Amino acid sequence: DQQVKQNSPSLSVQEGRISILNCDYTNSMFDYFLWYKKYPAEGPTFLISISSIKDKNEDGRFTVFLNKSAKHLSLHIVPSQPGDSAVYFCAASRTLNEKLTFGTGTRLTIIP
Amino acid sequence: KAGVTQTPRYLIKTRGQQVTLSCSPISGHRSVSWYQQTPGQGLQFLFEYFSETQRNKGNFPGRFSGRQFSNSRSEMNVSTLELGDSALYLCASSPGGSSYNEQFFGPGTRLTVL
Repeated sequence: DQQVKQNSPSLSVQEGRISILNCDYTNSMFDYFLWYKKYPAEGPTFLISISSIKDKNEDGRFTVFLNKSAKHLSLHIVPSQPGDSAVYFCAASRTLNEKLTFGTGTRLTIIP
Repeated sequence: KAGVTQTPRYLIKTRGQQVTLSCSPISGHRSVSWYQQTPGQGLQFLFEYFSETQRNKGNFPGRFSGRQFSNSRSEMNVSTLELGDSALYLCASSPGGSSYNEQFFGPGTRLTVL
């Protein structure tokens, strides 16, 4: 049972444009959501997180939006840069001390 | 500060064998989590150790086990290997407590079972 879903396995975006990566979840008990980025031959690196008390969190070019009623979150990258080409995973947990449940990832390719 | 290190980086085993993977967390981090990554499945949580105790556990069979030492280093063992165990095994460390979720990952161990 995939509780966190990333339905787009891949996404291509022109450099300078906005990249929007989507993530849906089924467990209404999830309260913390995170995005990780993974380059080949490296482990995932933490990007940005959001808790359910907020609907938006920004960090530089990265913004995460959370829609609890729709059980949906998205990551916006503006403007997209070639170095953003990577696999992006969203993850969720019920509490800060509980295990993370990851999605299957979306491969983002930024076209120069 | 040195990052999370995992050894070995690559491993080839045959069915029925057992394997032990090692993870050294970032200095000062007390929590170590293990994940299995396979194509199309994302990262599947195996277990988490905090201060030498297993604190969280995923839905993997008992062939997968782990432990943590007093210096926070962790090992993961898989016994009676199956072809389906071929995957990238990632470990992640965090200080523990309220910052658990912001985990720092190692580069992984690529296990191939023939």
